[in-house]
This record gives sequence, structure tokens and C-alpha cells, in this order.
Amino acid sequence: RKEVEQDPGPFNVPEGATVAFNCTYSNSASQSFFWYRQDCRKEPKLLMSVYSSGNEDGRFTAQLNRASQYISLLIRDSKLSDSATYLCVVAHFGNEKLTFGTGTRLTIIP
Amino acid sequence: GAGVSQSPSNKVTEKGKDVELRCDPISGHTALYWYRQSLGQGLEFLIYFQGNSAPDKSGLPSDRFSAERTGGSVSTLTIQRTQQEDSAVYLCASSPRTGYSNQPQHFGDGTRLSIL
Repeated sequence: RKEVEQDPGPFNVPEGATVAFNCTYSNSASQSFFWYRQDCRKEPKLLMSVYSSGNEDGRFTAQLNRASQYISLLIRDSKLSDSATYLCVVAHFGNEKLTFGTGTRLTIIP
Repeated sequence: GAGVSQSPSNKVTEKGKDVELRCDPISGHTALYWYRQSLGQGLEFLIYFQGNSAPDKSGLPSDRFSAERTGGSVSTLTIQRTQQEDSAVYLCASSPRTGYSNQPQHFGDGTRLSIL
């Protein structure tokens, strides 16, 4: 079983819709969580950190459920520019290595 | 440019040759990471540096791979006797420091390595 699992998609969503991605992680020692986005043939870029209380940044909302070892990302009022691969990323206490999921591919359709 | 800088951006070489990839982290970032991403695959951790030392080399796929960092800044990843399966995008990232709260990492554009 992969340490970080994501639905690879693709998700094809009309512009303006709301879309949600899920991610599960297997290591209960994980302590830091992030969502990165990666555009085609580009480097990953941090989208947002994920906190236990949940956090929001504009149209983006991230949630963490430690009991279920589950992370989510919600995008509201999706824009064409949101088309990208979204990477769920986990780090463990005392370990600097980030473990990346394979990503969920999102395409926003005009 | 205050971002992570990698060179070369593209490298094509023949099987069996050695290659050296360079990463210049964001100024002041003490932690530096190397990953690789094969076509259609997720990011694979290779090695990370805290200052000039490498506490975790667990991701290096074979003894043909080595990395060093000098002066707490620039790092080089060397692949000896390259094989076709080494073809990938090699990404470098840096973060301000390590500690209890893992810092988000900032990535360079990567080096696209193709082994013929």
C-alpha cells in the first residue's frame, strides 16, 4: 500500500463548479500536511498547508481528519486557471522527507 | 530571481556517461532536498541536506548516485555510469530550516535528464 494515496482522476469539471479531492495517508506518525499544485511540465508549488482545525484561503478549503488519516481539498467557483495536478503531501515528525501522492489531475472545462 | 535555481534545465547524454546536476537554493535556506519525477509518476525523494550534512540518504536508488553540498548553499547531484532508467526530471527544493514544524518546500524548475 502506498503511504499517500490519491484518486488519480482525471476530474473534468465545468467552470464555476465546486470540486473536492481526497487523500489518505497510512502513517499515523505523520504530522505535517500540504497541498501542492503542479502544472504540466512545471515544478510543484505550495498551494496551502493543512491544519487540524481546517483552513481556508480564498476559494480553497483544506481539512484534516487525523482519526481517519484523511485530508481533503475543496475548490469553490472553479476557474480555468485551476486546471493542474494537485499533490497531497505528508511529512513525519522528526523526518524532513516529504512524501508525495501521485496527484489528482483536474481539468476545468469552459 | 530569489527562487531555487537549477542547471542545466535539460541534459541529454549517452548511456554510461556521468552527469552532474546543480542546485542553488533560496538564500538563507538551510535545508535542501533532491527528488526525481519519472514520466507519469509521483515525486520520489532522493536525499536531503541540513547545512552541508546529509542525515537522510535513504532515497538514493543506487551507489551510482551521490550528492554533496558545500558552504551550506549550492548542491550537486552526480549520477555515474548513467542508465536509461535514470531518465527523469530531477527537482531540487529548499526550505528555511528543519525542526518540529516541517517547512513547506520551494522547488526549482528541475533538470530534465534524458539518457540515450
